[in-house]
Amino acid sequence: QQPVQSPQAVILREGEDAVINCSSSKALYSVHWYRQKHGEAPVFLMILLKGGEQKGHDKISASFNEKKQQSSLYLTASQLSYSGTYFCGTEPESYGKLTFGQGTILTVHP
Amino acid sequence: DGGITQSPKYLFRKEGQNVTLSCEQNLNHDAMYWYRQDPGQGLRLIYYSQIVNDFQKGDIAEGYSVSREKKESFPLTVTSAQKNPTAFYLCASSVGVRAATEAFFGQGTRLTVV
Repeated sequence: QQPVQSPQAVILREGEDAVINCSSSKALYSVHWYRQKHGEAPVFLMILLKGGEQKGHDKISASFNEKKQQSSLYLTASQLSYSGTYFCGTEPESYGKLTFGQGTILTVHP
Repeated sequence: DGGITQSPKYLFRKEGQNVTLSCEQNLNHDAMYWYRQDPGQGLRLIYYSQIVNDFQKGDIAEGYSVSREKKESFPLTVTSAQKNPTAFYLCASSVGVRAATEAFFGQGTRLTVV
């Protein structure tokens, strides 16, 4: 089952903030976040692990609530380059299967 | 440079034909994945492989087949049984399951049935 992302789309002006949420019905080992520009490959942003470890870009932050199996990606002081589709990917505790959500389309205007 | 390569970038297929999409990586990764991308549906997992000579069905495996005879290669065959194969296909690889590292994606193959 795919994780569920919300919102489906966000429109911002440069400098505004946004939060993208991801939830799973299964106990998770890790949550991944990627950004995809149209027609291109998804690019890694961050990985959050059960137990609190995080790896990723300096300018992007995220959280992982292990009890609720939810993660949030925080985009602050948005730039035009932040535009794209954001995907969360989840890896369950019980088996190594990386499954992605339906994506959140972020548009940043000048 | 290390990376993951998909070919071809564009592929046209006649109805009733099988077609094979190539995915090669030189990252020495154990795990490889195939995803299908349709507008509004995100990335849906077709098949994944955690090690050579082993692979597992994902969420939408019907009409597809794979092989993993070499560590670096994970080809996907779209068979005539796949009722709506027109889509963007992405291959990915990672160090391994539970390795807590990122997945690397290829540039994708856009398949169109004509």
